[in-house]
Amino acid sequence: GAGVSQSPSNKVTEKGKDVELRCDPISGHTALYWYRQSLGQGLEFLIYFQGNSAPDKSGLPSDRFSAERTGGSVSTLTIQRTQQEDSAVYLCASSPGDDRVWRLAKNIQYFGAGTRLSVL
Amino acid sequence: GESVGLHLPTLSVQEGDNSIINCAYSNSASDYFIWYKQESGKGPQFIIDIRSNMDKRQGQRVTVLLNKTVKHLSLQIAATQPGDSAVYFCADQGESGAGSYQLTFGKGTKLSVIP
Repeated sequence: GAGVSQSPSNKVTEKGKDVELRCDPISGHTALYWYRQSLGQGLEFLIYFQGNSAPDKSGLPSDRFSAERTGGSVSTLTIQRTQQEDSAVYLCASSPGDDRVWRLAKNIQYFGAGTRLSVL
Repeated sequence: GESVGLHLPTLSVQEGDNSIINCAYSNSASDYFIWYKQESGKGPQFIIDIRSNMDKRQGQRVTVLLNKTVKHLSLQIAATQPGDSAVYFCADQGESGAGSYQLTFGKGTKLSVIP
């Protein structure tokens, strides 16, 4: 696609419910990132996928959070048993690649518009 | 750990004036820096980047300055316009604890342009 697409744009859920957020990266981009942005705050890194490598999950705040990326393209971020503190904007980004061999290359990340999650 | 922070959380400037947004980073091994602009309700958009082997880079109405000695980055916007009102984030790229390369973002500076 022309840009990173995220759905839904808004999600309201009840505490304790599970939610799934979807990200369609830019076609051909091998790297995909999820971030969380609380109101008035910066971007908190959650998870990173690069090609077929094992994802970097170092930013996931708890085991209620998980993500997968099928076929090296679309990614889904799942939050189980949502809590009110999970309320935030969840942003997805993709980039052409970020490999140790290519680290001299620019790793510009292109962001989607985000999913605004509200947990009541 | 790595951290990127901003000196000023908010900045108000008169339309037509120049804006300067500052950023400090802590990782002396960071070799790549990006400035992003985030308008309300949108995701961050790339503005300009700079590598650590450069001190200055210019774009259209924007200039990024890098001072590696004091680990300081700034974004200068010339002739600020109302459309420049947004939150600006700096980010640096360095190796994460998991061995991959991440962008670490600061909290952002909100720029408000006064007509």
